[in-house]
Parts: sequence; C-alpha cells; structure tokens
Amino acid sequence: DTGVSQNPRHKITKRGQNVTFRCDPISEHNRLYWYRQTLGQGPEFLTYFQNEAQLEKSRLLSDRFSAERPKGSFSTLEIQRTEQGDSAMYLCASSISGGARDEQFFGPGTRLTVL
Amino acid sequence: SQKIEQNSEALNIQEGKTATLTCNYTNYSPAYLQWYRQDPGRGPVFLLLIRENEKEKRKERLKVTFDTTLKQSLFHITASQPADSATYLCALEGSSNTGKLIFGQGTTLQVKP
Repeated sequence: DTGVSQNPRHKITKRGQNVTFRCDPISEHNRLYWYRQTLGQGPEFLTYFQNEAQLEKSRLLSDRFSAERPKGSFSTLEIQRTEQGDSAMYLCASSISGGARDEQFFGPGTRLTVL
Repeated sequence: SQKIEQNSEALNIQEGKTATLTCNYTNYSPAYLQWYRQDPGRGPVFLLLIRENEKEKRKERLKVTFDTTLKQSLFHITASQPADSATYLCALEGSSNTGKLIFGQGTTLQVKP
C-alpha cells in the first residue's frame, strides 16, 4: 500500500503524559499537513511542511505541541503534558505542490484518548 | 471571522434519488473549493475540486457547483446508492498556494435501499 500511513492508530494515555505520533506520507509528496478532528466536526488545520520546512502553524497549536519533518520525509507530532481536551483524531495528509492542484491524500488517523 | 457551514442535520434519501448537499461560507474568498468523503473511523478521501472561475464540475455521478457571488457550493450525487452513505466535507483553499484547507463540519448522508 503506497498511501499515507499513521502510527499508532489508537493511543490511550493519562493526563500529563507525553505522546508522539508518526506520519509517513506518499513518497514523492513534498507537502505534509497535520489536522485535528473532534466528533461531529471537520478537520482543523494544525501545521504544514513543505519538504523539511515548517511553514505555517495554527494558533490551535499551543506550545505543548511540536511537529517535525526531518529530511522532508516522515513527520512526527508530539504533545507534551496532555490534557483531556487533546482527545481527538489526529490526521496527516500529503500532497504535491503544483500537482493536481492540492488534492490532499489523508492517512487513517491516530485516535488519541486522554484519561 | 471566516466561517464555513454545511447542513448539520443528516440527509436521508431513498436509493436512486439525487442527493444535494450545501456548503456556505462567509468572510472568505477561496481560490478553490474541494469536496471530500469520510467514512467512520477513516481519513477523508478527495472527490472533486472546483476553481473560483468555474461554475460547475462533473465526475461520473457527482456534480459540484460554485457560486462566488452567493458564496455557496452545491454537491449533487445522482442515482444515489446505499454505498454513497458517508459524511461529506467541503473545504476551502485560499490563494496563498500553501494548500492549507479550511473544512466545514460535514453533512452525513444516509441512502436507504
């Protein structure tokens, strides 16, 4: 399967713990996005990378959140000192700039539950 | 503030009928508008993209219209099938060339056999 993959698919953690999620985009895609989705809502933009450069961060991304994309390949999203309000589905998507005009390919998501 | 609204209530229709979903937006001038399908527990899947200078786009049984004066997009599924049952999301993209998408909350479609 050459689609976007995310790991883990599910994560249950206790409040105050740190968690890290991984996203592997489609190999030739230079753009990578992180979104957060809560029940009954559409995905909310968190941050965006073009190659290894993080070019935009949403104000939703507090200083407890950090994302990296070393070498412009896979990306990680870390949440420090998790809170119950962080419980959500975290989605990763990738695309090619200048390609089929920003059609984004989404991964299956990581569902985070903070107890 | 920028706002995107989709029918919050689920849409229930009979198999074979045409489903019409609405996406309205305010305080935004999108260069592109996209529609995605999302099944429970899965990531969204791209369906169609329409540009600000296009009025209508078709793909098989799907049709999208885009009225920048009314600030509205309509998404039609003709000859609907139970397999079309899912949540449909509209997403706006600005002209900043970042690809960043702003999503509506989605409308759930249920097609009954």
